Amino acid sequence: AQSVTQPDIHITVSEGASLELRCNYSYGATPYLFWYVQSPGQGLQLLLKYFSGDTLVQGIKGFEAEFKRSQSSFNLRKPSVHWSDAAEYFCAVGPSGGYQKVTFGTGTKLQVIP
Amino acid sequence: SQTIHQWPATLVQPVGSPLSLECTVEGTSNPNLYWYRQAAGRGLQLLFYSVGIGQISSEVPQNLSASRPQDRQFILSSKKLLLSDSGFYLCASTGGLNSPLHFGNGTRLTVT
Repeated sequence: AQSVTQPDIHITVSEGASLELRCNYSYGATPYLFWYVQSPGQGLQLLLKYFSGDTLVQGIKGFEAEFKRSQSSFNLRKPSVHWSDAAEYFCAVGPSGGYQKVTFGTGTKLQVIP
Repeated sequence: SQTIHQWPATLVQPVGSPLSLECTVEGTSNPNLYWYRQAAGRGLQLLFYSVGIGQISSEVPQNLSASRPQDRQFILSSKKLLLSDSGFYLCASTGGLNSPLHFGNGTRLTVT
């Protein structure tokens, strides 16, 4: 069965500092990987996705993620965090084809301090 | 691009009352539709998905049901709400093969 682990429940960073959110997945075939962001009381917005090709993917809002098959990881990074990045971030994995029956991690809540 | 409308945004219902949450999708035809529930600290749990009108698959046994009366309409229902049904309900849609999930803004349900 597919699963996603986000080991950090809560992370605090200073504005302007770099950010890395960790994600490890378990999937028996070629995975389709996602990062979503959720602001309080809102739905989830897709930041980026990886299906195939270049293992470093660029997303919206200056985020990027790197797929490392050997480590079963898909960590999200941003070189300089802005106060508006404070939100909850979800990593997800799904099958590489067909409808997206996706499994989500439990999320990492990001706090940005001035 | 897809737009997903969910209503109401918030809902407070007593235990034992019925529930109907509606979701409609714009900008795509024949979407796959999903209902997720989000509980604090537990991520998103897939409740139902649908690949077409009248076709509903349930992921977990529960007090809820879903229906898809039209191509771009997805309804989540309950005959009698339980306290444990409280949560944040999200409707999502995908537009085709390898199309990522797009989410609505959710409904916050509080059962009292």
